[in-house]
Amino acid sequence: NAGVTQTPKFRVLKTGQSMTLLCAQDMNHEYMYWYRQDPGMGLRLIHYSVGEGTTAKGEVPDGYNVSRLKKQNFLLGLESAAPSQTSVYFCASSYVGTSGETQYFGPGTRLLVL
Amino acid sequence: AQKVTQAQTEISVVEKEDVTLDCVYETRDTTYYLFWYKQPPSGELVFLIRRNSFDEQNEISGRYSWNFQKSTSSFNFTITASQVVDSAVYFCALSEPYGNNRLAFGKGNQVVVIP
Repeated sequence: NAGVTQTPKFRVLKTGQSMTLLCAQDMNHEYMYWYRQDPGMGLRLIHYSVGEGTTAKGEVPDGYNVSRLKKQNFLLGLESAAPSQTSVYFCASSYVGTSGETQYFGPGTRLLVL
Repeated sequence: AQKVTQAQTEISVVEKEDVTLDCVYETRDTTYYLFWYKQPPSGELVFLIRRNSFDEQNEISGRYSWNFQKSTSSFNFTITASQVVDSAVYFCALSEPYGNNRLAFGKGNQVVVIP
């Protein structure tokens, strides 16, 4: 049981390049999330998904797209990377229960856009 | 809109001292959940505790304790007899279960334990 895993761990991009971050979970969780963490800002929600085939915008969605084709995977895409997207990206998942939910996080992906 | 405030940005303590981290939240819902996460220097986020809005009992887990007071909208975290391994960033977060279930994070408290 690996929990939540993220690929890659670290990436350097040039402005205008594209890339996809992969998040995978093996806990059969319904909900998945993508956050970004910037110094002094805490974590902010980019996009989330409440189930396979569904996605929704979070707090800071501009410049990102997501897809949830399989329940266990949640992909975050940057079509044209910008230096402002330099950040640490965290994926999380949770099981939807009647008593609230705890989100479990992946180890993070550090992205540097030059 | 939900909001979480962690006023102290960096706190330094000498090993074995106690340290308390303040968390103040804002929400219009009567049902909500509060969380604390730890982020050690290695970078991962470690879940510490979840508390729902109907349970105001304080909780103790080893050297960690949490004080939830709805009257002041606070959910404070105390580390007793701090150790160097407690050096980390600690985040308080709020979730409203009937919306999109997103977590609203505070900006975090950097705790530095000096040996």
